[in-house]
Order: sequence, then structure tokens, then C-alpha cells
Amino acid sequence: KAGVTQTPRYLIKTRGQQVTLSCSPISGHRSVSWYQQTPGQGLQFLFEYFSETQRNKGNFPGRFSGRQFSNSRSEMNVSTLELGDSALYLCASSVSGSYNEQFFGPGTRLTVL
Amino acid sequence: QKEVEQNSGPLSVPEGAIASLNCTYSDRVSQSFFWYRQYSGKSPELIMSIYSNGDKEDGRFTAQLNKASQYVSLLIRDSQPSDSATYLCAVEDSGNTGKLIFGQGTTLQVKP
Repeated sequence: KAGVTQTPRYLIKTRGQQVTLSCSPISGHRSVSWYQQTPGQGLQFLFEYFSETQRNKGNFPGRFSGRQFSNSRSEMNVSTLELGDSALYLCASSVSGSYNEQFFGPGTRLTVL
Repeated sequence: QKEVEQNSGPLSVPEGAIASLNCTYSDRVSQSFFWYRQYSGKSPELIMSIYSNGDKEDGRFTAQLNKASQYVSLLIRDSQPSDSATYLCAVEDSGNTGKLIFGQGTTLQVKP
């Protein structure tokens, strides 16, 4: 069974630009959660999608947004990039989100210059 | 603010020893608990999940859960140098579907 895939793996952007990251969950998984990982803050929850609906959102500014498609693939978008947005962005998929194991993709390493 | 606490380490053990990693959490209603292993430069890899009080064993790994004490632990028997990594404790947020709250991680070093 194929694992969670994320594209691109690496991105370099400049301040003010926007970026879109993509995540394809494990086949049969309908929940996709997004996390930001930085050395200082660790892993922080961004949002979770299930059946094309955002069910939960973490404590991040509105510049961070996402969506999910009918095939459960998900994208997240960050607009007006700031230096502090440099991080590893991870998506994780699970069957339904609650009481389920979450499996992480390899992540997208975003560097903002 | 719901929190998950871990000792950052590093925890250093000799090869073949038992490594004991601990985690406490603040959300009394949480029902799902996970341990992830993360190698430097890689993404977290799920190694154990536990939902009921008591012990759960999988190969060299044993997870222990005590909901009354709000305490989760991971034991690694016969530690190998390849076990050297950061171990992340994660607790499902009881009020937010699909949200895991992570500890800062414990760095384990297994010395040959």
C-alpha cells in the first residue's frame, strides 16, 4: 500500500510570495491533517479536512488556508510569506480522523528568504 | 491550553539496554495516544498507538498508559544504535477531530 505523498519536497520562496503544497493520502483514508514543524515550536497543528470539509483549524493566521478534493487529496496555501513561515510542512492521513492512527508524509521543506 | 510534556534529553543508553521514555499530558478526556520516531531530516514515523490503560507490546516496543495519572511511556528493549532518534509523544485532542498535540520530543542516543 502506497504511503502518504507530498509535493514538492523542497521550496525556496521570497517574502511576500505565496505557495501551494500538495498532499495525497493513503488510499482509503479520508482525513488529512496538516502540521508545521519548526525547531522552536515543534509540531503544531494547522488544520484537518474530511470529505472536503475543514473540521478543525489550529491557531495560525488567515494567510494559511487549505482545501480537500473529492479524491481526498489536499492542498494548503500560504499567502504573503514571512520569514517565520520557513518550516517543514507535514501532512498526515487517517481513516476518519478520530481515534485513528495518523501516518505522515515525507514533508515539504519551505525556506522563505 | 492543552499540553504534552516530555523530557528533551538526550537520553543515552548502551546497546542492548532498555530505554524508557516518558510523557505526561493535560487533557483528561483524551482517548488516543501515539508514539512517533523521527530521524534527523525525516518525517515522523508511527511506532505505537495505545487507547486503553495498561501495556501494549509490539516487538521490542512496549507502550504503557495510565489515564488516571495522565501518563504514557514507551519502553524499547534490546536498544540498537539504529534506535537513535527523537521520539515524539502525541495525544489526540479530545475536542478537535484529527488534531494531535505533540510533545517536544526526547532524543535517544544508543551507544555501541
